[in-house]
Amino acid sequence: AQRVTQPEKLLSVFKGAPVELKCNYSYSGSPELFWYVQYSRQRLQLLLRHISRESIKGFTADLNKGETSFHLKKPFAQEEDSAMYYCALYGYNKLIFGAGTRLAVHP
Amino acid sequence: KAGVTQTPRYLIKTRGQQVTLSCSPISGHRSVSWYQQTPGQGLQFLFEYFSETQRNKGNFPGRFSGRQFSNSRSEMNVSTLELGDSALYLCASRPPGLAGLSTDTQYFGPGTRLTVL
Repeated sequence: AQRVTQPEKLLSVFKGAPVELKCNYSYSGSPELFWYVQYSRQRLQLLLRHISRESIKGFTADLNKGETSFHLKKPFAQEEDSAMYYCALYGYNKLIFGAGTRLAVHP
Repeated sequence: KAGVTQTPRYLIKTRGQQVTLSCSPISGHRSVSWYQQTPGQGLQFLFEYFSETQRNKGNFPGRFSGRQFSNSRSEMNVSTLELGDSALYLCASRPPGLAGLSTDTQYFGPGTRLTVL
């Protein structure tokens, strides 16, 4: 069965510190993986997808098939990065989300 | 292009009633998915429609149903409401891909907040 695990409910860092939001997945095929972000009082929106290999707002994520992970990283956190982050896997015609990690960046 | 719209934005119902939520996808998008978001269970997939056909269904009871119209607008219906159905219901659309199958980005609406008393 496909599953996405985000082990941390809350990640609290200071501005300028590195950030790593963890995501592990379970899927029998070749996964399509995404990170979605939800800022306060805004709708859920795509942050990045693994096949694009882009860096969005300074965030990057590398798919590690050996460790079945897709961790989200940013070298220097900004206060405006404070939001809810969801890792998601697309497979069998549906998007499965992790429980989400709340990132709080303090000044 | 206008984004995904959902109506109503807020809804209060009592147990036993039924409710219909509406979603209008981005123009040109033919795939519409529905999700339930709760603090306890997070975001859970309900179902996906493509060209008026349900293509996939999540693990929800039969009280949850949906449909899609020829203009790609979609509705979901919940009958015999229970307290546990209180949630934010999100709709998402995505652009068509090869043969209608696409793993492309899903664009989410603002959601309908349903409260069951």
